[in-house]
Amino acid sequence: SQTIHQWPATLVQPVGSPLSLECTVEGTSNPNLYWYRQAAGRGLQLLFYSVGIGQISSEVPQNLSASRPQDRQFILSSKKLLLSDSGFYLCAWSEWGRTTGELFFGEGSRLTVL
Amino acid sequence: EDQVTQSPEALRLQEGESSSLNCSYTVSGLRGLFWYRQDPGKGPEFLFTLYSAGEEKEKERLKATLTKKESFLHITAPKPEDSATYLCAVASGGSYIPTFGRGTSLIVHP
Repeated sequence: SQTIHQWPATLVQPVGSPLSLECTVEGTSNPNLYWYRQAAGRGLQLLFYSVGIGQISSEVPQNLSASRPQDRQFILSSKKLLLSDSGFYLCAWSEWGRTTGELFFGEGSRLTVL
Repeated sequence: EDQVTQSPEALRLQEGESSSLNCSYTVSGLRGLFWYRQDPGKGPEFLFTLYSAGEEKEKERLKATLTKKESFLHITAPKPEDSATYLCAVASGGSYIPTFGRGTSLIVHP
């Protein structure tokens, strides 16, 4: 069966510090991968998605970036965090070639920027 | 641009008190409408996909229905363990990537 792992679960970072969130998927090949952010009182905001290694699409211009160095690994990064980057970050995957929008989410990473 | 509006924002029910959650949407060519359940501090869990008006899906005490403009998530005789935030999402046109609503927070009191 497929599983998705996301870490760290919780982190508190000072403004201006770097960020790295990691997500890996097991049990499937060539998944579509996504990074969403969920802020208090707001819906899920799509940040990045990837349909293959090295292929990243950005939905929201900001100081975040994403990379997919391996087929089932997706990394969210920032060189300098802003207060507005605080939120609940969710990684998700869907089956390659399946265009029905069924996403499977990780447990999330809660980021607090102070 | 796809738009998804969920109502109410919050709903409190007594155990056994049936009710419905609403999801209104505006899209150009619906590819699919999705319902997810999200427990506090967790990632959303996929529940249903509906593809066309008139379609219905059921899972335990939950039943999702779809019209051309909205979807309803009916909860029959809810239990406290049904307490969660329910998210609605749509995918349309050439994109399979869903756009999410803000969710309805459901609390079921014993």
